[in-house]
Amino acid sequence: DGGITQSPKYLFRKEGQNVTLSCEQNLNHDAMYWYRQDPGQGLRLIYYSQIVNDFQKGDIAEGYSVSREKKESFPLTVTSAQKNPTAFYLCASSSELGMNTEAFFGQGTRLTVV
Amino acid sequence: AQSVTQPDIHITVSEGASLELRCNYSYGATPYLFWYVQSPGQGLQLLLKYFSGDTLVQGIKGFEAEFKRSQSSFNLRKPSVHWSDAAEYFCALNTGNQFYFGTGTSLTVIP
Repeated sequence: DGGITQSPKYLFRKEGQNVTLSCEQNLNHDAMYWYRQDPGQGLRLIYYSQIVNDFQKGDIAEGYSVSREKKESFPLTVTSAQKNPTAFYLCASSSELGMNTEAFFGQGTRLTVV
Repeated sequence: AQSVTQPDIHITVSEGASLELRCNYSYGATPYLFWYVQSPGQGLQLLLKYFSGDTLVQGIKGFEAEFKRSQSSFNLRKPSVHWSDAAEYFCALNTGNQFYFGTGTSLTVIP
């Protein structure tokens, strides 16, 4: 079945450590996105990518980094510079950047800093 | 600037009652609008979308939404709510290179 796979579902990180969240899609979509979700704040865009080897900062990119070496993969690294990384992270994809496309979401990764 | 507002943070309805969740958007061009639903600890599932044409759109699970350009609104409705509809609902706007989401409305269904 086609879809978006995020792993792991739960992740614990010690303060000062970098951690990478995985996102893989087999929908053959060009565009991919990372969102952060906090209670009462909806979804906030971290980074997005239109094509391989290209990505753009979203509204809250500070403390995060991404790569897009393959069309199907868009990993997110939460660095030690991110001051408050505990959150629910959602990866999404769409067939292309464009207004008449919908976003498909993975099941999310819950990151907790301990 | 573009934005999406969901005025109701939390709504409680009785099972079998009708439901309306409000969504207002701000965007200078033709809006492409969506409603998503999220169960706890899960990703978002698309309920319905509006691209153009009929202002009343039908979605999955018996949901529908009406686009009103004059009111900049895209409200979600369901005639009879089921206990399984309890979830978080998000309205979203696609501007071409970004999706803008509202802060969500949490729905509680009481027996």
